[in-house]
Amino acid sequence: KAGVTQTPRYLIKTRGQQVTLSCSPISGHRSVSWYQQTPGQGLQFLFEYFSETQRNKGNFPGRFSGRQFSNSRSEMNVSTLELGDSALYLCASSLSGEGETQYFGPGTRLLVL
Amino acid sequence: SQQGEEDPQALSIQEGENATMNCSYKTSINNLQWYRQNSGRGLVHLILIRSNEREKHSGRLRVTLDTSKKSSSLLITASRAADTASYFCATAPYGNKLVFGAGTILRVKS
Repeated sequence: KAGVTQTPRYLIKTRGQQVTLSCSPISGHRSVSWYQQTPGQGLQFLFEYFSETQRNKGNFPGRFSGRQFSNSRSEMNVSTLELGDSALYLCASSLSGEGETQYFGPGTRLLVL
Repeated sequence: SQQGEEDPQALSIQEGENATMNCSYKTSINNLQWYRQNSGRGLVHLILIRSNEREKHSGRLRVTLDTSKKSSSLLITASRAADTASYFCATAPYGNKLVFGAGTILRVKS
């Protein structure tokens, strides 16, 4: 099976712009979660989608949003980018239930100038 | 906020030696997972241990879990240079939300 894929792999934006990141889960996986990784805050949970519905949400401002499509692919959007949004954004997929192994993609590295 | 705290923050060993990393967490859990990350890339899942398990093995990896002390350890035996990476423990207090520790940076010198 193909693993989790994320596009693009690298992105450079300027403050105030918006960005959309994409994640394709492992075939058959219905849960997709997003994480932000920065040197200062480490790995932090953004949100999880399951069957096109947001199931869990982390403590991030409303500028961070996401959605999931019927084929389980997911996108996350960050509007009005700030310098502090520079990070590695990781997507993870799992079959469906709680407490399952989550499989991560290679990440999208976002640099905000 | 971080649930798990890894110890040590950094570890440097010679190839062939064993490496032990510890993780402590705060709340009750259903399971605890260990991940490896190479140079800021994606996370690779190593092992999942459930709250009713005390020890689990996978190849050169041995994980223990002590729910009474809210701690876990990851042992890598006969380390190789390719094991050089950051190692994270993660718990899921509820749902599929993983809460990660700060990680242990392991350097294996050849």
